[in-house]
Amino acid sequence: QVQLVQSGAEVKKPGASVKVSCTASGYTFTTYYIHWVRQAPGQGLQWMGMINPNGGSTNYPQNLQGRVSMTSDTSTSTVYMELTSPTSDDTAVYYCARERHATFWFDPWGQGTLVTVSS
Amino acid sequence: QSALAQPASVSGSPGQSITISCTGTSSDVGTYNYVCWYQQHPGKAPKLMIYDVSNRPSGVSNRFSGSKSGNTASLTISGLQAEDEADYYCSSYTSSNSYVFGTGTKVTVL
Repeated sequence: QVQLVQSGAEVKKPGASVKVSCTASGYTFTTYYIHWVRQAPGQGLQWMGMINPNGGSTNYPQNLQGRVSMTSDTSTSTVYMELTSPTSDDTAVYYCARERHATFWFDPWGQGTLVTVSS
Repeated sequence: QSALAQPASVSGSPGQSITISCTGTSSDVGTYNYVCWYQQHPGKAPKLMIYDVSNRPSGVSNRFSGSKSGNTASLTISGLQAEDEADYYCSSYTSSNSYVFGTGTKVTVL
């Protein structure tokens, strides 16, 4: 079955970058985009951007430009999301989610990775 | 990009119908039929319930339905059941080639 499995929880100090992975299985990796969405404690969902594993093109929202970077490794069907210079405001659960090309909906989602930024 | 506006909470008794609204702008909901609804139970990842305003993925109960009028989309849950108690988020593609989510609605089954 289609699965997105994410890396484990992370605790980071402010300023130290964090990198979360999302490994896909059960489908052809390069035929779907991967999006990242985060959810701060008790808050709503926020779209962080997407990557097309077929070629590596990315699209980030303006408010995260320069801080977020997404890469893919087709040999392991894994996408990485790196966030630089995190602050306590970046403490959240980070989800990856799949989108069939140009369908504009996300399904399924990974299980989520809790990233805690604290000194 | 401001979040789409949803009521903070909606409640209903088992068997009743409830409707959750999702209000955006002409830059998102009003222009694109790429509105989705996600269900999220506590501590779990979101699950796609409706896509393209009114389409249900395979496996989602037909008690869930979606619609749109102008800048406002709606999710209706009919025949409310205890398992429907969860948070619900709408989402829309935007004219900035990005995605915006709603503020979220907590559904309580009385």
